[in-house]
Amino acid sequence: GAVVSQHPSRVICKSGTSVKIECRSLDFQATTMFWYRQFPKKSLMLMATSNEGSKATYEQGVEKDKFLINHASLTLSTLTVTSAHPEDSSFYICSARESDRASAEAFFGQGTRLTVV
Amino acid sequence: GQNIDQPTEMTATEGAIVQINCTYQTSGFNGLFWYQQHAGEAPTFLSYNVLDGLEEKGRFSSFLSRSKGYSYLLLKELQMKDSASYLCAPMDSNYQLIWGAGTKLIIKP
Repeated sequence: GAVVSQHPSRVICKSGTSVKIECRSLDFQATTMFWYRQFPKKSLMLMATSNEGSKATYEQGVEKDKFLINHASLTLSTLTVTSAHPEDSSFYICSARESDRASAEAFFGQGTRLTVV
Repeated sequence: GQNIDQPTEMTATEGAIVQINCTYQTSGFNGLFWYQQHAGEAPTFLSYNVLDGLEEKGRFSSFLSRSKGYSYLLLKELQMKDSASYLCAPMDSNYQLIWGAGTKLIIKP
């Protein structure tokens, strides 16, 4: 199947700093990528839909100035957590679908465990 | 609103069979996915159903009834490595996946 690569897998940062997470589709082009956040024992929460060449679409309640998303090419989307706070500590996962067919499965990156200290 | 309901946790014995149920309410419907997620890892695809009936894939099978808003995942010949969370995710009219909280499956020897 298709491969989505997410980097880094783990990051620890200090409060007030920014962290960038990269998501790459390795063997297919993804016009749309999805960024999720997952709390322990909770469901995936869609944060935003990243659209290549245009602005991301944020879900209600997600601060677009805090979670900056850039989809610069058909294979790369980045999520930057700006001015991180301990409450931003979470598991962040990106995903992409190989095509727009309804049956096209979503492939997930490995996830990024962010810890803000 | 959109809602997914599946049991929080289930326990089964190695070698046995387990059925994980999922009921859903979505705005429109474009199929339903099941994903497996081991602790600390990203989800991996298991199955996709868009028509009513049973889809079998090795030890795993998935069933869908659109009229009842109901699906189940059936796991046979359980192995210890099947201990994971199983996520039911229907796709709404906007082709957006709606995620349930998942069912944590514990396999005992």
